[in-house]
Amino acid sequence: AQKITQTQPGMFVQEKEAVTLDCTYDTSDQSYGLFWYKQPSSGEMIFLIYQGSYDEQNATEGRYSLNFQKARKSANLVISASQLGDSAMYFCAMRGLSGGSYIPTFGRGTSLIVHP
Amino acid sequence: EAQVTQNPRYLITVTGKKLTVTCSQNMNHEYMSWYRQDPGLGLRQIYYSMNVEVTDKGDVPEGYKVSRKEKRNFPLILESPSPNQTSLYFCASSLSYRGHNYGYTFGSGTRLTVV
Repeated sequence: AQKITQTQPGMFVQEKEAVTLDCTYDTSDQSYGLFWYKQPSSGEMIFLIYQGSYDEQNATEGRYSLNFQKARKSANLVISASQLGDSAMYFCAMRGLSGGSYIPTFGRGTSLIVHP
Repeated sequence: EAQVTQNPRYLITVTGKKLTVTCSQNMNHEYMSWYRQDPGLGLRQIYYSMNVEVTDKGDVPEGYKVSRKEKRNFPLILESPSPNQTSLYFCASSLSYRGHNYGYTFGSGTRLTVV
């Protein structure tokens, strides 16, 4: 079974500063993918970044980077130079890729508030 | 434009009145899924489908039905809605249920209130 844990229900950060949103996972799959999604107040789910378990480098997408530590089973999202528009809920998710569970598992989310 | 289309966006209904939330994707995705989102509980999967005529229960299937007669459509049916089904619902699709870097495209969500 897969499990995603996001231990921070809410985070505050000042505009232009960096923030790290924590995500730990548990899985018996050898190959899996990790995702982060953003949900602004309007409600839609926006895909941010993906990390494969066998990717040697941490994924980056613009101001988003994924700090992947496989031995620790963590996949933290780092947002650099926070903007007011980054205020949203953020969900970490994973799915198995090689047998086991293909069904994605989501964390409970972290609410990020960026203040001026 | 590649997208997942859900309808309606908002719905208020009464207990016991059957309703259907439609979901359609134009990306030829094999995998489709329904989630409900409730405060403090994150996203919980209701049902999923790995291809046409293949559906399976997720974590919270009670009170819901789905069908997958065509690849593009995956409607969610509430035969007899109850107030505990008041929630924000998302449909999502993915190119395949196996493989690398296949993220999910989500619909815009349906906010359902059952009174």
